[in-house]
Amino acid sequence: QKEVEQDPGPLSVPEGAIVSLNCTYSNSAFQYFMWYRQYSRKGPELLMYTYSSGNKEDGRFTAQVDKSSKYISLFIRDSQPSDSATYLCALKPPAAGNKLTFGGGTRVLVKP
Amino acid sequence: GAVVSQHPSWVICKSGTSVKIECRSLDFQATTMFWYRQFPKQSLMLMATSNEGSKATYEQGVEKDKFLINHASLTLSTLTVTSAHPEDSSFYICSAGGRAGANVLTFGAGSRLTVL
Repeated sequence: QKEVEQDPGPLSVPEGAIVSLNCTYSNSAFQYFMWYRQYSRKGPELLMYTYSSGNKEDGRFTAQVDKSSKYISLFIRDSQPSDSATYLCALKPPAAGNKLTFGGGTRVLVKP
Repeated sequence: GAVVSQHPSWVICKSGTSVKIECRSLDFQATTMFWYRQFPKQSLMLMATSNEGSKATYEQGVEKDKFLINHASLTLSTLTVTSAHPEDSSFYICSAGGRAGANVLTFGAGSRLTVL
């Protein structure tokens, strides 16, 4: 079993819809949670970073963490075709320095 | 914000030659850099952790003599693919972290290597 599970997709939605992405993890030591967006043939870029249970909102993006269930989510409201990309969750325990554990990534396609 | 520059973005080489990829942190000092490999439609696979002034730490299954990593300064790490073969063709991405304890990594734009 992988430490972090993420549905590979692809997830296809119409423009304007809410995109819902999630990752589950097995290691309760993970305390820091990130979501990265990766366009084709580009490096990942950080979207959201959180370290506590609950919701964190930034513009159209909301990150949700439920440590008791070992489940994290990313919601994208009012999705745009430019949101079409692969979304990677990344997790880290406190003592791992900068070393992140990545999910497999979910491909998202927002159709105009 | 933190910027990581990776060069070259695209390289084609003949089988048996060596290729060097550079990763630079432009506006911060990176005590640690990471090198990843990514195959099409797959996630990032960590190859090694590069620490400034010391030897890199390689992940299990990654050949140290094949993928040489040097982190001679706080702003530059290099990955050299030695005696490249077609199976080494891949997308290589570096990331950099700042001071110890910082939790967020900044990624380079990646380097696409094609070995003929």
